[in-house]
Amino acid sequence: QKEVEQNSGPLSVPEGAIASLNCTYSDRGSQSFFWYRQYSGKSPELIMFIYSNGDKEDGRFTAQLNKASQYVSLLIRDSQPSDSATYLCAVETSGGYNKLIFGAGTRLAVHP
Amino acid sequence: DAGITQSPRHKVTETGTPVTLRCHQTENHRYMYWYRQDPGHGLRLIHYSYGVKDTDKGEVSDGYSVSRSKTEDFLLTLESATSSQTSVYFCAISRGGEGSYNEQFFGPGTRLTVL
Repeated sequence: QKEVEQNSGPLSVPEGAIASLNCTYSDRGSQSFFWYRQYSGKSPELIMFIYSNGDKEDGRFTAQLNKASQYVSLLIRDSQPSDSATYLCAVETSGGYNKLIFGAGTRLAVHP
Repeated sequence: DAGITQSPRHKVTETGTPVTLRCHQTENHRYMYWYRQDPGHGLRLIHYSYGVKDTDKGEVSDGYSVSRSKTEDFLLTLESATSSQTSVYFCAISRGGEGSYNEQFFGPGTRLTVL
């Protein structure tokens, strides 16, 4: 059974701090990795994707990938209360058809 | 926002009745997916489609069927709704092919309650 694991949280950080969200996956054949943000009552919104080992930065967000350790992380710098949401890690399966397996999500709370 | 709509957005129905949810896209993407989202389980794949009339089962397909007669429409049918199918249902699309990183984009969701 292919799995994606995330700490459910809540992860509570003060405004302006760095939030670090982590994800591990079991399918060694996975090549593409995604982070989605989901506000309460809304649909998931893609915020980052990464497919090479190392870091990928986009504004305040940095995705980090370590395929040898089967580990993906998302760093949010200068966290804002508007970043408070559930963050879903998704991993493309090696079975094709662009299928993704999602973790259950980490709830992030940024307090002023 | 990706051009994805879902209908209805909310539905309350009774146990044993058939229910059909519709997903419509204007992006001409090849792949379409139906997920359900429940507390503690995250998003789970019900069925997916990789082309017109080409569909396959996901991890939680029991009690559901799908059809895709046109590129833009993907229908999810609950043959005989049960209370365990009370959930939020999301449709997603993915372009695939050259230049794509296989990212999926989600519709607004349908909240289904089975009494």
